[in-house]
Parts: sequence; C-alpha cells; structure tokens
Amino acid sequence: EDQVTQSPEALRLQEGESSSLNCSYTVSGLRGLFWYRQDPGKGPEFLFTLYSAGEEKEKERLKATLTKKESFLHITAPKPEDSATYLCAALGGSYIPTFGRGTSLIVHP
Amino acid sequence: EPEVTQTPSHQVTQMGQEVILRCVPISNHLYFYWYRQILGQKVEFLVSFYNNEISEKSEIFDDQFSVERPDGSNFTLKIRSTKLEDSAMYFCASSVLGNEKLFFGSGTQLSVL
Repeated sequence: EDQVTQSPEALRLQEGESSSLNCSYTVSGLRGLFWYRQDPGKGPEFLFTLYSAGEEKEKERLKATLTKKESFLHITAPKPEDSATYLCAALGGSYIPTFGRGTSLIVHP
Repeated sequence: EPEVTQTPSHQVTQMGQEVILRCVPISNHLYFYWYRQILGQKVEFLVSFYNNEISEKSEIFDDQFSVERPDGSNFTLKIRSTKLEDSAMYFCASSVLGNEKLFFGSGTQLSVL
C-alpha cells in the first residue's frame, strides 16, 4: 500500500526565517511527486511535480527537491502570505495520488 | 484561467437522505475525481472517472456512492443514504491525463445531522 508521511504537522516561523518541510513516501514505481498548497476552506492548489531523484523545481520563495525516499519543500525568507497547509502527494502504479496529512505553516510578521 | 467549479458550497442534510454534489470540470480535461477531507484529516481518494466509466475506486466508495457524467460538462457524486460519518468537505478534481497534476474545485462542505 502506498504511504505518504509529512513532517512536521505544524510549523511556526517568523517572517524571513527559512525552513524545510519533509515528505517521506513509500510507493511502488513512483510516477510523480506533487506538492500542493491548501488555504482554509479551499481546494488544494498545485505547486510542483517532481518525477525523478535529483530533480528540483522553484517558484518564488519555494523550492522542491526529490530523493528516492523523500521530498523537501524549502521555504526561503517566508512572508505571512505563505501561511497555508502544504500537501504532498505521491503517484504510483495505480495512477491515483496518495496524499499526506499536510504541514500547517504559519508565518508571523 | 479555467477552473473546476463545485455546487453547492455548503449542503446540510438529515441522516438517511440522498444528496447530489455537482462539479463542472475544466473543459478539455479527460480524468475526473472525487476526494473527501474530514476536518483535520488528510485528503482521501474516493473515485476516478475516465471515458464515461469508473477507472478506480477506494474502499470508502461503497454501494451508497455513485458518480455520473450526465452531459458533456457536469460530473456528479450521489450519496444515496447519508450517514453521520459522511460529513466532510468533498472535492472534485480534474486532469488532462491520468498521471498529471490535479486541478481541484473549492469543495462542498457536507454536514449530515
């Protein structure tokens, strides 16, 4: 069974304080690793797809990286508007993404 | 920018009643999905739909659930006899291909009393 574990569950940062979110996955035949952002009461919004170990993607203050067992979402100099829940999802042989529980990020001004 | 739209945004129903949740996926997308998220828990897969039939379903998607694409634009989730534990946010999603990023709607918050 595919499994995705995210840590930490919650993270509080001061504005400008960089950090990383972790996503560990156990998937047979990884076809893609996805990161989404979810704001309260909204659906997940796509951020990145990573397909192979060593791959990196960047968007503004966010950078996602992938190894054979985990993915990291690095947040550089975060701002309060980066506050959200960040979801990781792994796509294996079933073509159905398995989501983790997410990391709730709060960035204080 | 095209988006997935869901109606209603909130639905309150009595236990045992039937509900239909509606979704309009992005027009050129071929794969459609329903997910649910119980408050404070992870996003859970219910069902995927491609080429006018169910392609995958989870253990959650039992005989009380059904999906339809009644016309060229709508995609519906029906729960025949709601239970208290069906209370959750239900998300519709679509994608161009089956192994790509999903575009989610804003969800329908279902409350079963």
